[in-house]
Formats: sequence, structure tokens, C-alpha cells
Amino acid sequence: QTVVTQEPSFSVSPGGTVTLTCGLSSGSVSTSYYPSWYQQTPGQAPRTLIFSTNTRFSGVPDRFSGSILGNKAALTITGAQADDESDYYCVLYMGSGIWVFGGGTKLTVL
Amino acid sequence: QLQLQESGPGLVKPSETLSLTCTVSGGSISSSSYYWGWIRQPPGKGLEWIGSFYYSGSTYYNPSLKSRVTISVDTSQNQFSLKLSSVTAADTAVYYCARHHGGAARYFDYWGQGTLVTVSS
Repeated sequence: QTVVTQEPSFSVSPGGTVTLTCGLSSGSVSTSYYPSWYQQTPGQAPRTLIFSTNTRFSGVPDRFSGSILGNKAALTITGAQADDESDYYCVLYMGSGIWVFGGGTKLTVL
Repeated sequence: QLQLQESGPGLVKPSETLSLTCTVSGGSISSSSYYWGWIRQPPGKGLEWIGSFYYSGSTYYNPSLKSRVTISVDTSQNQFSLKLSSVTAADTAVYYCARHHGGAARYFDYWGQGTLVTVSS
């Protein structure tokens, strides 16, 4: 079964830039997988950030951006703020009605 | 504003069937180009897609759970339901219902608040 890979953890300094990635255990991520990104804080439902690789969801600040970097999808946070400290999940659409979540990245801002 | 609300027992015994319902308000589950799905999150762990149904009536399941999962729809009540059979402690999780898009942009946009289901005798 295909595994969607994410860094387990990452840290960034306030005001800094961080790029989180979303890969496949076998193969490359492309726009055909419709990568999307979600932010989750403890006890809360996920919040949609990015869809279709690089489209920001309504109300999401433009310091969040999505792209394809090499063979992975990527979420870049520019000018990190304290309240960006969260878990971030990517989701890939595998086709045939099947979605797969990545394992998530715990982002620390310090 | 679309809202989704999960409901169901918070405690289920091992080997029994977990049953949850998602009630949708502010929109119709029969709307075209949308999927309506279930996602779960064990305590301290990541999110896992369980399955979804498409407005056309098709259902799709996570291959790892397919043998135990059934998703059904009640359009008259604007609700959809999850049944997960033969549960074990590994099925203890917060269960979310969510809407997601088909068509040209495939992503989850609206989520319920989640409901914790504990499997224990």
C-alpha cells in the first residue's frame, strides 16, 4: 500500500521560513495527486490551508504557499508566527476515489 | 454556512459495531461534485481516511478497512452514517466527518468538530 511521507517534526524561528514536504514511498508527487494541506492544533478539527497543489483556501494568509519541489509536494510558511505552531498534514488523491493522509509534521516555532 | 455534526455512542465494546451519524446543515448532501467522508485520528496519532460516498451514490473505502466499513446515506434527513464492525482497542479515535470536493479540485473543506469513540469493555 502506498505511504505518504512527511517529516515527523520541524522547527522554525519566529519570522523565519520553513518548507514542509509530502512525498510517496514509491514514485513522485505531481499535480495529478491534487496535493492539499491542513493545519491542526490540539483538540481542534483540521483547517484547510492549500488545495490543488498551490491554491490557498479562503481566508488563509498569503504567507502560506504550496508547490511541487522535485518529486514532492511542499508547503512553505514565510514569516512564521507563534500561532503557526501546529501539526500539518498533506493529503494526496490516489485516484479511484481513494485519499491518503500523510503522517503529519509537528511544527515548533521557537 | 455549511456545518457538519457527528453523533453516536462514545463507548463501544470490543468485537461490536461502531455506529456514527453525521448531520449536515446549511447545504445538501445531494449537491453535485462533492464527496462526504469519514476520517479518524487515534489519540496522539495522525489522521486516517476511512471512506467516502460520492453524490452520485458510489462509495469508496480505505483498502485497509474495507472489509469492516459501511457508509450509508439518508438524503431525507441530510445525514450520512458510518458503521465499523468487529472493533478493537485500535479503533479508539476521534472520528470526523467532512465534505470534500471531486471534480477539478480534490480536497476537504468542511469538517465536523469530531467525536471521541473509545473501544473498551
